[in-house]
Amino acid sequence: KQEVTQIPAALSVPEGENLVLNCSFTDSAIYNLQWFRQDPGKGLTSLLLIQSSQREQTSGRLNASLDKSSGRSTLYIAASQPGDSATYLCAVRPTTAQGAQKLVFGQGTRLTINP
Amino acid sequence: GAGVSQSPSNKVTEKGKDVELRCDPISGHTALYWYRQSLGQGLEFLIYFQGNSAPDKSGLPSDRFSAERTGGSVSTLTIQRTQQEDSAVYLCASSQNSRQPQHFGDGTRLSIL
Repeated sequence: KQEVTQIPAALSVPEGENLVLNCSFTDSAIYNLQWFRQDPGKGLTSLLLIQSSQREQTSGRLNASLDKSSGRSTLYIAASQPGDSATYLCAVRPTTAQGAQKLVFGQGTRLTINP
Repeated sequence: GAGVSQSPSNKVTEKGKDVELRCDPISGHTALYWYRQSLGQGLEFLIYFQGNSAPDKSGLPSDRFSAERTGGSVSTLTIQRTQQEDSAVYLCASSQNSRQPQHFGDGTRLSIL
């Protein structure tokens, strides 16, 4: 059974710092991995999607990497801003026949950027 | 519409009542998903629709839960005889296909008294 773990559960840093959020998954048989952010009381906003054949994706100040063989992904946020404060969720899409349609989520990292 | 739309945004009901939650996906998206987000459980998959294929219901927690998707567009999630443990945020997502990102609505916050 695929399990996704995110470390740390919460992180607080001063504005301007670069930071890394970690995601690990137990089964390397995945189609893709997706990073989301969730603001309080809101749904999920897709940030980056990495296909299983890719190593990384970049969007603005965000960079996500994927090491499928070791079951790890990182989300790098450069020059953090108070508006980056949110919960960041990592999700994988398994390739198993029964699980191929759903995303398996981690518990998230609650990020606070202090002005 | 521009994004996934869900209604109502909040629903409070008494234990034992039936509830219906609605999801309007992004136009042209053939795949539609329902998830549930609750404290301590995180985000859990409930059900998946793809075009005219039979839905994947493997995540539905009990037979009190059911979902329909009419005309390949709007979907309703129905919970019968609600229990307090059904209290959660119910999120709907849609995507163009399995290789494309899933886009989520803001969810329906369901509270069972």
